[in-house]
Amino acid sequence: GQNIDQPTEMTATEGAIVQINCTYQTSGFNGLFWYQQHAGEAPTFLSYNVLDGLEEKGRFSSFLSRSKGYSYLLLKELQMKDSASYLCAVMDSNYQLIWGAGTKLIIKP
Amino acid sequence: IAGITQAPTSQILAAGRRMTLRCTQDMRHNAMYWYRQDLGLGLRLIHYSNTAGTTGKGEVPDGYSVSRANTDDFPLTLASAVPSQTSVYFCASSDRGTTEAFFGQGTRLTVV
Repeated sequence: GQNIDQPTEMTATEGAIVQINCTYQTSGFNGLFWYQQHAGEAPTFLSYNVLDGLEEKGRFSSFLSRSKGYSYLLLKELQMKDSASYLCAVMDSNYQLIWGAGTKLIIKP
Repeated sequence: IAGITQAPTSQILAAGRRMTLRCTQDMRHNAMYWYRQDLGLGLRLIHYSNTAGTTGKGEVPDGYSVSRANTDDFPLTLASAVPSQTSVYFCASSDRGTTEAFFGQGTRLTVV
């Protein structure tokens, strides 16, 4: 079966750095996505990785290792507005997105 | 319209009633999707359409139907609602199905 695993909840301090991990087992791989979802709102796109390595975009970076079935999202200089759920999704061989349950990130002052 | 729009934003529905959730996009994306999101679970694909005139079943299609008569619209119909269909429903679209998906604001449906 297809499976995406990520921690249910994480807590971090404003101004700090946090890493949210995602491991996956899917039938085929056509890229990995990270989305941010604030409570009561729609998911919004953060990053896309299809090759191994690190993609940096401002305070957010995403890493992929296809051989390990592993990705992480790194958030630097945390701000209170970063409190949200972070969703990991993998596009399988049929170009369908398989979604993790999401990691709720709580930022404390 | 800017992006992707869903209607209604919320609805309370009696069990056994028929309901259509509307979704319209103006980005000319060829792929569209319907997901449901339940607490503690990831987004689960109900139905999808890779292009106008075609549809396919996702992970949890039972009790739902869709149509794609044109590029812009992708309505989701619950023929006879049941309480287990209480959920938040998101419509999404993407270009060619291989790039980022854009989501509507969601429809919060409660079946009583």
